[in-house]
Amino acid sequence: SQTIHQWPATLVQPVGSPLSLECTVEGTSNPNLYWYRQAAGRGLQLLFYSVGIGQISSEVPQNLSASRPQDRQFILSSKKLLLSDSGFYLCAWRTGGGVYNEQFFGPGTRLTVL
Amino acid sequence: GNSVTQMEGPVTLSEEAFLTINCTYTATGYPSLFWYVQYPGEGLQLLLKATKADDKGSNKGFEATYRKETTSFHLEKGSVQVSDSAVYFCALSDFGNEKLTFGTGTRLTIIP
Repeated sequence: SQTIHQWPATLVQPVGSPLSLECTVEGTSNPNLYWYRQAAGRGLQLLFYSVGIGQISSEVPQNLSASRPQDRQFILSSKKLLLSDSGFYLCAWRTGGGVYNEQFFGPGTRLTVL
Repeated sequence: GNSVTQMEGPVTLSEEAFLTINCTYTATGYPSLFWYVQYPGEGLQLLLKATKADDKGSNKGFEATYRKETTSFHLEKGSVQVSDSAVYFCALSDFGNEKLTFGTGTRLTIIP
């Protein structure tokens, strides 16, 4: 069966510090991968998605970046965090192609920027 | 473009009450429709889905019917429990689009 992991689970970082959040998927090959952010009490905002290694689509201009160095690994980074980067970050995967395929979400990383 | 409109929350109900959370959509193609649930502090879980008109998705006592004529996918449950307290998201997936389009979410609180 497929599983998705995210770490760390929680993170407290000072403004201006770098960020690296990692997401890995097990039990599937060539998945689509997604990063979302959820601000407190708000809906989901799609940040990046990837349909293959090295292929990244950015949905929202910001100081975050994403990379996919391996088929089942998706990394969210920042060189300098802003207060507004605080939120709940969710990684998701989906079988590539096909309109009927739902996304499966990881447990999330709660980031607080102070 | 695609869009999903959900009932504004928060919604507060008493235990054993009947629940309806409205969801309507706009899509350029013939989408699949989903309901996700997010319990406090957790990621989203797929609750149910429907892939064609008149399909009924169901799970854990929740149901939603894909209504193409009204472009709706309302979530219903006959008797809610305290454990159903969560945020519910309606979403659609359209052919040729690698992304899901989500509604803004509806926070549901069930009081004993």
